[in-house]
Amino acid sequence: GAGVSQSPSNKVTEKGKDVELRCDPISGHTALYWYRQSLGQGLEFLIYFQGNSAPDKSGLPSDRFSAERTGGSVSTLTIQRTQQEDSAVYLCASSLSYRNEKLFFGSGTQLSVL
Amino acid sequence: AQSVTQLDSQVPVFEEAPVELRCNYSSSVSVYLFWYVQYPNQGLQLLLKYLSGSTLVKGINGFEAEFNKSQTSFHLRKPSVHISDTAEYFCAVSELHSSASKIIFGSGTRLSIRP
Repeated sequence: GAGVSQSPSNKVTEKGKDVELRCDPISGHTALYWYRQSLGQGLEFLIYFQGNSAPDKSGLPSDRFSAERTGGSVSTLTIQRTQQEDSAVYLCASSLSYRNEKLFFGSGTQLSVL
Repeated sequence: AQSVTQLDSQVPVFEEAPVELRCNYSSSVSVYLFWYVQYPNQGLQLLLKYLSGSTLVKGINGFEAEFNKSQTSFHLRKPSVHISDTAEYFCAVSELHSSASKIIFGSGTRLSIRP
């Protein structure tokens, strides 16, 4: 595709349920990032991938959060046993190389935990 | 580890007035610096970046930023703003390493333009 694609665009779930958020980066982009944007909180770094490996997972808020990337392309962010504080917009971005010269962002997934 | 501070959460200015959005960073190594913009109901896009060379960087829509290593700052400026500049602006930093390195964003500055 022409840009970074994220699905679903909106997700409403009940507290305690698991959710999976998907990101399709721009073809050929080797680096992929996940961020969380909460109201008034800016962009919180979660994790990034270089190829299929994740050199830095330090931003994941708790062990309920995990992410994987397969085939150097699609990535899935999984949140287990969702809590109300997980409600936010989850943004995915990709870049051409590990030099991180420019990130291309998706439109995000708005997650609401009731 | 690197960090970014945007001291102003909101900046109101009148149309055609100059504006400066402040950004300070912290890092023990050399860095790349970025400004991203998020217009209402749109995704983030790159406004400008500093990688090396001239410390004055020009971006899209008439914005520019100056890298000041001694003050660890990368302030964004525009001499005359327009209503269409209403957006949230994010400063970001990435440390230079031989291997991949993450990009950290500040908390953002909401620029509101008054007619």
